[in-house]
Amino acid sequence: DARVTQTPRHKVTEMGQEVTMRCQPILGHNTVFWYRQTMMQGLELLAYFRNRAPLDDSGMPKDRFSAEMPDATLATLKIQPSEPRDSAVYFCASGLPPTDTQYFGPGTRLTVL
Amino acid sequence: AQSVSQHNHHVILSEAASLELGCNYSYGGTVNLFWYVQYPGQHLQLLLKYFSGDPLVKGIKGFEAEFIKSKFSFNLRKPSVQWSDTAEYFCAVNGFTGGGNKLTFGTGTQLKVEL
Repeated sequence: DARVTQTPRHKVTEMGQEVTMRCQPILGHNTVFWYRQTMMQGLELLAYFRNRAPLDDSGMPKDRFSAEMPDATLATLKIQPSEPRDSAVYFCASGLPPTDTQYFGPGTRLTVL
Repeated sequence: AQSVSQHNHHVILSEAASLELGCNYSYGGTVNLFWYVQYPGQHLQLLLKYFSGDPLVKGIKGFEAEFIKSKFSFNLRKPSVQWSDTAEYFCAVNGFTGGGNKLTFGTGTQLKVEL
């Protein structure tokens, strides 16, 4: 049963610290998405990649967030420096054209104190 | 730009009641439509999807949805809900804008099923 995996599942850090979240897409999926979910804003698309190239990162605060895909099996989302307003659950999803179905990982619950 | 509206933000039902959650989208072209479910504390899981063909789509756990093109709607239904259906439900649409498979999600409907 292929699944998207994310690490860590939970992260508590202090304001100003760097946070790195990792995602392993389903093997063979060439599109990877990063979402952020909060009570206030709901589910927001931060960035997505196809074949490791960023297609859209307009939802991501550029000054502190960065997303990369070092290889086809790893996507990273980094926040530096972190702020309390970054506290949220960050989901990674992967998919494969042409069906466009996205499969979500379990999420990283980030708390910035 | 495509958008998705879920008009019911909170729904409370008794077990065995019938469910219908509304979803309307705005996009003039070909679309793929999805319903995802998020159980408390868990990630989003695909409930069902529509790409083409029969507009009545059946998903997991007894859910179904009907695509009505003329109404730009994709409402989710279940004849008899169970306590375990308590969750948040998200409608999503992917329009073929050349931007790949980027989904636009609705704001979600929180369903609570009472015993």
